[in-house]
Amino acid sequence: SQQGEEDPQALSIQEGENATMNCSYKTSINNLQWYRQNSGRGLVHLILIRSNEREKHSGRLRVTLDTSKKSSSLLITASRAADTASYFCATFRMDSSYKLIFGSGTRLLVRP
Amino acid sequence: DAGVTQSPTHLIKTRGQQVTLRCSPISGHKSVSWYQQVLGQGPQFIFQYYEKEERGRGNFPDRFSARQFPNYSSELNVNALLLGDSALYLCASSLVPGTAQETQYFGPGTRLLVL
Repeated sequence: SQQGEEDPQALSIQEGENATMNCSYKTSINNLQWYRQNSGRGLVHLILIRSNEREKHSGRLRVTLDTSKKSSSLLITASRAADTASYFCATFRMDSSYKLIFGSGTRLLVRP
Repeated sequence: DAGVTQSPTHLIKTRGQQVTLRCSPISGHKSVSWYQQVLGQGPQFIFQYYEKEERGRGNFPDRFSARQFPNYSSELNVNALLLGDSALYLCASSLVPGTAQETQYFGPGTRLLVL
């Protein structure tokens, strides 16, 4: 079963605009990660935020984490056509399984 | 350095057949995980192996099995294929599982179609 839900399921914006994607999850976590997937191929790791962190930046990416609300957001600033992809959040909980639990993803389309 | 590699890239099988998918982790990584991604959904965890031992198993039937070799490469086997097994199978490697900083690096996947 999926741990999280991304919102929105699909997003279409103009090049240069900012894109915000949200992720909610159900259980306590050790960290939350965001991945990008182009055209149903492999996942590319974007950023990891630990449960004791509230905000993290990497280039044009900004991730926030609110453990009290069990939610995270990914902001992509000044979007480019090359950012068109599916974006997934994945939670990691240090129990016996050591597994990543993925949400259902947000499909982002950046129009040139 | 080479990333995670998977073979084959595409595979077509018929119901009832068996399939073996292969994965080579990033050099130095000792942990391999397998995920199944059905079209339109996020990946779902199947197995994790570390130092040749199974460390985690997802909610998949016994038709799914895996193993890890001394060189840390891994195989995923699926027996008695069903139409619903059609999916992208992703392999991920990491240095050491179970740390708060664990990052898993994914391969390009094997797309399996069951007819």
